[in-house]
Amino acid sequence: QVQLVQSGAEVKKPGASVQVSCKASGYTFTGYYMHWVRQAPGQGLEWMGWINPHSGGTNYAQKFLGRVTMTRDTSISTGYMELSRLRSDDTAVYYCARDPLRGSLNNWFDPWGQGTLVTVSS
Amino acid sequence: DIQMTQSPSSLSASVGDRVTITCQANHDISNYLNWYQQKPGKAPKLLIYDASILKTGVPSRFSGSGSGTDFTFTISSLQPEDIATYYCQQYDNFPPTFGPGTKVDIK
Repeated sequence: QVQLVQSGAEVKKPGASVQVSCKASGYTFTGYYMHWVRQAPGQGLEWMGWINPHSGGTNYAQKFLGRVTMTRDTSISTGYMELSRLRSDDTAVYYCARDPLRGSLNNWFDPWGQGTLVTVSS
Repeated sequence: DIQMTQSPSSLSASVGDRVTITCQANHDISNYLNWYQQKPGKAPKLLIYDASILKTGVPSRFSGSGSGTDFTFTISSLQPEDIATYYCQQYDNFPPTFGPGTKVDIK
């Protein structure tokens, strides 16, 4: 079955960077866009960007331009999201999610990884 | 960015009740709208796509309707396992955006 398994929780200091990984299984990794969505504590969902695992092409939300980098390693079917210059308001659960239709960008999300809590605190 | 609103922000209903949530977009998004369910401490799950199409395996008590700017999500008979927050999400315009969510509780 299609599964996305993310790396474990992280605690970072303000100004640091964090990298979250998302390992895909049960499907052809390079065939589907991967998105990243975050959720601050008690808050709603915020889309951050996508990566095309086949080409490596990316597109980021305006809010995160210059701070976020999405990459992938096709040899291990894993996507990565790195967020730099962390602030306290970056404390959130970060989710990876697959675009559900092969070979096309639809900007919806199914399935999702289990989430990775990133806490930014001095 | 397309702004999505939902109402109510929370509701309490009894088991077996019909529950309705509305979602509104500030621009016409045709039928490019999804509904997700998020249970406490869990990742969201897709329930409905293209405004009204039930994802395979999702119970038929869930349904969606609407187009343009106004959408409705309905649980025909609320079950205890439906306790969750429900989000709408538009994918007509970049960037994709979510509504603020509706928290559903059992009375």
